[in-house]
Amino acid sequence: GNSVTQMEGPVTLSEEAFLTINCTYTATGYPSLFWYVQYPGEGLQLLLKATKADDKGSNKGFEATYRKETTSFHLEKGSVQVSDSAVYFCALSDKDTGRRALTFGSGTRLQVQP
Amino acid sequence: ETGVTQTPRHLVMGMTNKKSLKCEQHLGHNAMYWYKQSAKKPLELMFVYNFKEQTENNSVPSRFSPECPNSSHLFLHLHTLQPEDSALYLCASSQVPYEQYFGPGTRLTVT
Repeated sequence: GNSVTQMEGPVTLSEEAFLTINCTYTATGYPSLFWYVQYPGEGLQLLLKATKADDKGSNKGFEATYRKETTSFHLEKGSVQVSDSAVYFCALSDKDTGRRALTFGSGTRLQVQP
Repeated sequence: ETGVTQTPRHLVMGMTNKKSLKCEQHLGHNAMYWYKQSAKKPLELMFVYNFKEQTENNSVPSRFSPECPNSSHLFLHLHTLQPEDSALYLCASSQVPYEQYFGPGTRLTVT
C-alpha cells in the first residue's frame, strides 16, 4: 500500500536558518505530492503541491521538488522566520488506486527561535 | 463564508451525552472527510464520502456516526464517548482526485 515517511521532530532552528524537512514515499502508481502546514489551534492548510516527476511546488518561500528516482519530496526554505513555527505534513494522492483520501506522513514539528 | 467551516470549535461533553459536529464546505467539492488528530499520534482518517455516499470507514467505533445529507454538509454524531476520544476532529473536502481543504477543527474533550 501507499505510505509516507517524514523525519521525526521537533526540528529546532534559529531565525534565518536554512530548513530541510525530509519526506519519502511509497506508492503503487504515480502520485501527486503535497505539503500541508498546521499552525497551533488550526486545521491543516495546503502549502504546496507537485503533480508529476521533476515538478517543483513553491509557496511563501517554501519549495519542494518531486523526485521520482529517489521517491522523495523534501521541503526546503532558505531563511525561516519565527512565524514558520508549525507542524508540517507530507502527503500523497494516488489516483491510480482509485482511493480518494490522501495518505499523510506523521508530521514534523518545526520550532524557530528568535 | 468561504472554504470549509466547522462548528462548534470547542466541545466538552460527558460520556453519556449525545452531541453532533457539523462541517460545511463552500467550494463545490464532491468529497468530504472526517479525520481524528490526537496528541502525539498520526492523523487518522475516519470516514470518506463521495457524492453523499460513504466510500471508506476505517474501523471506526459505532459511537461515531457520520451523516452526509448533501455534498456540502457533513455531520459526525457522537454518543457514549470515552475519554480517549478526546481529540481534534478535522473535516476536509476535495474535488476528487485533487488536494483536500481542511476546516479549523473541533476540539473535543470527553469528561
